[in-house]
Amino acid sequence: DGGITQSPKYLFRKEGQNVTLSCEQNLNHDAMYWYRQDPGQGLRLIYYSQIVNDFQKGDIAEGYSVSREKKESFPLTVTSAQKNPTAFYLCASSLPGGGFGELFFGEGSRLTVL
Amino acid sequence: KQEVTQIPAALSVPEGENLVLNCSFTDSAIYNLQWFRQDPGKGLTSLLLIQSSQREQTSGRLNASLDKSSGRSTLYIAASQPGDSATYLCAAPGMGAGNMLTFGGGTRLMVKP
Repeated sequence: DGGITQSPKYLFRKEGQNVTLSCEQNLNHDAMYWYRQDPGQGLRLIYYSQIVNDFQKGDIAEGYSVSREKKESFPLTVTSAQKNPTAFYLCASSLPGGGFGELFFGEGSRLTVL
Repeated sequence: KQEVTQIPAALSVPEGENLVLNCSFTDSAIYNLQWFRQDPGKGLTSLLLIQSSQREQTSGRLNASLDKSSGRSTLYIAASQPGDSATYLCAAPGMGAGNMLTFGGGTRLMVKP
């Protein structure tokens, strides 16, 4: 089955630790995205990548980092510099990027900072 | 900058009722608009993608319309069922760098048996 796999589904982190969220897609999509969802705030774009080895900051990139070494993979690292990391993180992909293609999402990863 | 608004924020209807969810956007120079469904604690599921050249798109009991001139889209759900209970979000491309999607805040729908 084609789709987007995010792991882990739940993650707990102590303050000061970096954590990495995994996102893998087998849809052969060019573009991949990371969103953050908070209650009452809707979805906000963290980073996006329209091609391998290239990525761009979204609206709330501070305290996050990404890499795109393979077309299928777009991991997100939440660093200790992110002041309020507790949130629901969603990875998405689309065949063409730039808002032209239909967007598909993974099941999400919930990060809680203790 | 694109702004997307969904009203109402929450809606409760009895089973079997036909209903309409509204989505408005400020920049009408869009080339598509997408509707999603989100169940609690889950990711978003794509329901319908309407291209700017289309006025309507249908999938089963769902029908989405797009009126670029007025900056509005509607999602019509026919013969609602309790399984339709979820949050429905619309998203339109922004006109900034990368033309990334801007999401509305969603409408939380509850269909009562």
